[in-house]
Amino acid sequence: ETGVTQSPTHLIKTRGQQVTLRCSSQSGHNTVSWYQQALGQGPQFIFQYYREEENGRGNFPPRFSGLQFPNYSSELNVNALELDDSALYLCASSSPLAEYEQYFGPGTRLTVT
Amino acid sequence: KQEVTQIPAALSVPEGENLVLNCSFTDSAIYNLQWFRQDPGKGLTSLLLIQSSQREQTSGRLNASLDKSSGRSTLYIAASQPGDSATYLCAVSYNTDKLIFGTGTRLQVFP
Repeated sequence: ETGVTQSPTHLIKTRGQQVTLRCSSQSGHNTVSWYQQALGQGPQFIFQYYREEENGRGNFPPRFSGLQFPNYSSELNVNALELDDSALYLCASSSPLAEYEQYFGPGTRLTVT
Repeated sequence: KQEVTQIPAALSVPEGENLVLNCSFTDSAIYNLQWFRQDPGKGLTSLLLIQSSQREQTSGRLNASLDKSSGRSTLYIAASQPGDSATYLCAVSYNTDKLIFGTGTRLQVFP
């Protein structure tokens, strides 16, 4: 069974640029959630995708957008990067067949300068 | 507002001690509660999942209890080891989408 994977591991961008982060869900999981974790804080929910549709969104502006593909992998896109977007971005997958227990990937560390 | 609080924020103990980490949540109508472990700069490892209808779950030296009516959960770690050093996060969900996290308890176990 393959776990949740994320790419890239680290990324450095300049304010105003755009970034795309990628996530492959655990085998058999059809739901993907994205979280932002600032240093010293708990993760904050960005949004969730289920069967390629957005299925819930946290308090993040529209410049945070996402996609889910037919194989259940997902992308997180952030436009017009700001310094405060520097954080660890975590992807989690889950399945109704597994009681919606969320399994997290290793994260992508984004630094905006 | 749905919030999760974890106490203490940090804990430093000698090896072998039994530990209790606390988590409280403001809205008791939870769907489930998860405890996670996070090593510095890494992702989250799921430790235990407790459904709203359950009172506790156990895995090895870990035991998590849930008291929905009082909005509390505790994570009990028996016979702590230096390898248990990490940040422990509690998270609740109210449906099948988002998890709401506490800010974590940073645990250090020294030999």
